[in-house]
Amino acid sequence: AQKITQTQPGMFVQEKEAVTLDCTYDTSDQSYGLFWYKQPSSGEMIFLIYQGSYDEQNATEGRYSLNFQKARKSANLVISASQLGDSAMYFCAMTREVGGSEKLVFGKGTKLTVNP
Amino acid sequence: DVKVTQSSRYLVKRTGEKVFLECVQDMDHENMFWYRQDPGLGLRLIYFSYDVKMKEKGDIPEGYSVSREKKERFSLILESASTNQTSMYLCASSLVREYSPLHFGNGTRLTVT
Repeated sequence: AQKITQTQPGMFVQEKEAVTLDCTYDTSDQSYGLFWYKQPSSGEMIFLIYQGSYDEQNATEGRYSLNFQKARKSANLVISASQLGDSAMYFCAMTREVGGSEKLVFGKGTKLTVNP
Repeated sequence: DVKVTQSSRYLVKRTGEKVFLECVQDMDHENMFWYRQDPGLGLRLIYFSYDVKMKEKGDIPEGYSVSREKKERFSLILESASTNQTSMYLCASSLVREYSPLHFGNGTRLTVT
């Protein structure tokens, strides 16, 4: 069964610095997708970035990049030039096939705090 | 932008009540999902639907049912609310396309007393 592990319950970073949030996954599927979501204190889950297992280049979206290391089964999120508004919970997720349809399984999240 | 709207931000219900959580999306997405989020447990899938009147159980369907009579609307029903169903409930939708991201609503924080 697919599993996502986020080993950092909480992380702290200074404003304007870069931070890496760790995510490892376990799957026997050959083809899968990896996602990162942000959840501010308001509660809404915001889609940040996506990486397909066959994509050779790491995904980037503005200040977000996904450091994908397939052999290590890791998909770390890198946030460059942190801003105070980046303070939130961050969830890593991956696709899984259930009953012929595609679902997401989520990690337990990392709480990021950006200090001024 | 995709808009997923959950009808209530906060709900307080009594044990044994029948509870309806409503979710509407405006982007003609085929897939809709209900997740439950609890501290330390992350998000867990309760039910999902890939078409009108179609539904499948997720990881924790016990104590819940769902209804999808129209493509844009997906309802979660707690037939007889219990205190262990106190949680944050998140609705999401997505396209039927490989690796299409989920778009979430703001969540409903349900307290059962």
